[in-house]
Amino acid sequence: EADIYQTPRYLVIGTGKKITLECSQTMGHDKMYWYQQDPGMELHLIHYSYGVNSTEKGDLSSESTVSRIRTEHFPLTLESARPSHTSQYLCASSGLAQSTDTQYFGPGTRLTVL
Amino acid sequence: KNQVEQSPQSLIILEGKNCTLQCNYTVSPFSNLRWYKQDTGRGPVSLTIMTFSENTKSNGRYTATLDADTKQSSLHITASQLSDSASYICVVTDRGSTLGRLYFGRGTQLTVWP
Repeated sequence: EADIYQTPRYLVIGTGKKITLECSQTMGHDKMYWYQQDPGMELHLIHYSYGVNSTEKGDLSSESTVSRIRTEHFPLTLESARPSHTSQYLCASSGLAQSTDTQYFGPGTRLTVL
Repeated sequence: KNQVEQSPQSLIILEGKNCTLQCNYTVSPFSNLRWYKQDTGRGPVSLTIMTFSENTKSNGRYTATLDADTKQSSLHITASQLSDSASYICVVTDRGSTLGRLYFGRGTQLTVWP
């Protein structure tokens, strides 16, 4: 069982609100990732981080932002939520410096914007 | 274009039966291929990982095969159980990128009936 946590698990919020999705891991992994997944569709990488103070945008354009002030913490923020942001957001982490390392996923946050 | 295609999209089998899920990919250069299991409302969990030189890998009742020449993989589930009901995702890593870029299939939704 991977030690990676996401809160909240479910969030229903009105348009225009600012939200922060939390992600924490206790495995000491350097690399962390945020994915967006719609029902029946593949995961899309929206942000990733190689380590503290490192953040990069992924393949799918996203209006969200991330920060990496501590190794174990990788929060994602939406300044003004819109219905188009409704989706499942998955956080992941990996620990090795090579491409064969396994990504461990959190349980996800199901976001609904009304 | 790097892609991962999975079939069938969904599958229903009776408890105790075997089944085989398929994955075709065009990702190049190839690094490794993983099969993940994703329960509803949860994050994906890694089942197997295979590199270029490996053509089969087992994890309990799950057996994955890889044919790197034809760029095909399969996941065979033996003696299915109700708890096997989930989405099974094929993920291929691109060796050409520093991050180890992952390409996700859309998954096969497996339902096991009693």
